[in-house]
Amino acid sequence: DIQMTQSPSSLSASVGDRVTITCRASQSISSYLNWYQQKPGKAPKLLIYAASSLQSGVPSRFSGSGSGTDFTLTISSLQPEDFATYYCQQSYSSFTFGPGTKVDIK
Amino acid sequence: EVQLVESGGGLVQPGGSLRLSCAASGFTVSSNYMSWVRQAPGKGLEWVSVIYSGGSTYYADSVKGRFTISRDNSKNTLYLQMNSLRAEDTAVYYCANSPTDAFDIWGQGTMVTVSS
Repeated sequence: DIQMTQSPSSLSASVGDRVTITCRASQSISSYLNWYQQKPGKAPKLLIYAASSLQSGVPSRFSGSGSGTDFTLTISSLQPEDFATYYCQQSYSSFTFGPGTKVDIK
Repeated sequence: EVQLVESGGGLVQPGGSLRLSCAASGFTVSSNYMSWVRQAPGKGLEWVSVIYSGGSTYYADSVKGRFTISRDNSKNTLYLQMNSLRAEDTAVYYCANSPTDAFDIWGQGTMVTVSS
């Protein structure tokens, strides 16, 4: 089974900050990596699919990169509505989510 | 508008059964693969099961042999039959649609509580 890790597990940031979240797979998953945002009490929302493709309607301040085992989600300028938990997820072999990264207000 | 609406959650005793439904609108449930994903209280996301457009089904090891995913194309609805429920199955259960190779569209979730 493919295991996913994320770092950091949580971070505090200010509006306007550049934020980077890292996701690592236990084996190569090519570009079969997706990123989700989840706010309390709400369903997750797809942000990035296939490692770097921006889902329709998602602001361009979100971007994804990487391939193989190492991936990054970047928020170029953090906005108040971006405070949430972010999950990576692989779809290369079955499906596995990372443990999540909580982004809160500094 | 593409939408998924789950129902069927509730309180059930350990060892009991429950069937979740996920009604789709704006697309057909057989056109893409569809999954169930759950989230225990205060925890992360866990994939549970998938049904592909061709009908193949797969399960997480934690539910294999106890849960069954199915769909009714005439009702455009996805199901999850859950048997032999355990306390650790307590979670919000989401259905999700995958026109790309990701979980693009999610329902609002339905809570399942397994407790005596």
